[in-house]
Amino acid sequence: ETGVTQSPTHLIKTRGQQVTLRCSSQSGHNTVSWYQQALGQGPQFIFQYYREEENGRGNFPPRFSGLQFPNYSSELNVNALELDDSALYLCASSHSSGGPSIEQYFGPGTRLTVT
Amino acid sequence: GEDVEQSLFLSVREGDSSVINCTYTDSSSTYLYWYKQEPGAGLQLLTYIFSNMDMKQDQRLTVLLNKKDKHLSLRIADTQTGDSAIYFCAESVTSGTYKYIFGTGTRLKVLA
Repeated sequence: ETGVTQSPTHLIKTRGQQVTLRCSSQSGHNTVSWYQQALGQGPQFIFQYYREEENGRGNFPPRFSGLQFPNYSSELNVNALELDDSALYLCASSHSSGGPSIEQYFGPGTRLTVT
Repeated sequence: GEDVEQSLFLSVREGDSSVINCTYTDSSSTYLYWYKQEPGAGLQLLTYIFSNMDMKQDQRLTVLLNKKDKHLSLRIADTQTGDSAIYFCAESVTSGTYKYIFGTGTRLKVLA
């Protein structure tokens, strides 16, 4: 059983650019959540996907969007990058029935730096 | 509003008990969680409690939930140096849609 993997591990982008981060879920999991963790802060929930549909969202603007694929892997897209988007982006997978997950398994994260 | 608050630091001696506290504001929580994050490592779920329970024990960990005061605590018995990490309290909230709200984390330092 493989764990949650994310790519890339590090990324540097310029303000105004667009970025795509990727996440492979743990085997058997159908739900993926994305979080933004700024330095010294707790993770902030961006959104959750269940069976390819967004079924949960935090207080993030529409320029944060996502996709979940039939194999339950996922992408996070951020358009018009701002300096404040610099953070560790965490993906978590779980098995749910469409509601809140009990056990989320987190990936190691992608460190995004916006200059 | 939605907020989860924790104290920033806690220092204990090895072998003592640690108690990490958390308060939350949203009353529509379904589950409350405790996560551990070690330097350079991902978040690890330690334990969780369903919102209609008031206590859960799991080996060295005891979770207490006071729903009236919106207060959650994590007690670690016989704290070891390997328990040094950042501990996050979190809640899952269901109000039309689903959200997870994390606290800012408590850095636990265990002194040998």
